[in-house]
Amino acid sequence: GDSVTQMEGPVTLSEEAFLTINCTYTATGYPSLFWYVQYPGEGLQLLLKATKADDKGSNKGFEATYRKETTSFHLEKGSVQVSDSAVYFCALTAGGTSYGKLTFGQGTILTVHP
Amino acid sequence: NAGVTQTPKFQVLKTGQSMTLQCAQDMNHNSMYWYRQDPGMGLRLIYYSASEGTTDKGEVPNGYNVSRLNKREFSLRLESAAPSQTSVYFCASSEQVYEQYFGPGTRLTVT
Repeated sequence: GDSVTQMEGPVTLSEEAFLTINCTYTATGYPSLFWYVQYPGEGLQLLLKATKADDKGSNKGFEATYRKETTSFHLEKGSVQVSDSAVYFCALTAGGTSYGKLTFGQGTILTVHP
Repeated sequence: NAGVTQTPKFQVLKTGQSMTLQCAQDMNHNSMYWYRQDPGMGLRLIYYSASEGTTDKGEVPNGYNVSRLNKREFSLRLESAAPSQTSVYFCASSEQVYEQYFGPGTRLTVT
C-alpha cells in the first residue's frame, strides 16, 4: 500500500538557519504530494503541493520539489523564523481506489529558537 | 466563514461509555473525513464520505461508526469506548481531491 516516511524529529534550529525536512514515499500510480503544517493547538493547514513529477510547490518561503526518480519531496526553507515552529506532515494521495484519501507521514516537530 | 467546526474540544470517557463527535463545515464541500492523530503515527483515516449519502471505511475503522447527516455535517460515534481510542480526532472537508480543510480537533481520553 501507499506510505510516507519522514525524517526523525524533533528538529531544533536557531532563527535564520536553513531548514530541510526529508520525505520519501511509496505509491502505486502517480501520486500528488503535499506538505501540511500544524501550529500548536490547531488543525492542519495545507502548506504547499505538487501534482506531477518535477513540479515545485512553494508558499511562505517554503519549497519542495517532486522527485519521481528518488521518490522524494523534501521540504526546505532558506531562513526559518520563530513563527515557523510547528509540526510538519508530508502526505500523498494517489489515483484509483484511494482517490481523495490522504496518506500522512508521522510528522516532524520543528522548534526555532531566537 | 467558520470553516470546519468540531465539538466538543475535550472529552473524558470511562471504558464502555459511548459518545458522538460532531463536525460541520460551511464551505459547501462534497467530501468529509475523520482522522485520528497519535504520537509518532501521523494522521490515520478512520472513515470518509465522498459525497452526501455515502460513507466508506478508511485505514482504522474498527470501533467507530459514522453518519453523514447532510452535506454540512459528518458525525463520528464511539459505541463502547476503549483506552486504545484515546487520541486527538480531526474532521476535514474538501472539494478538490487534495486540498483538505481541517477542524481544530477533539482531544479524547478514555480511562
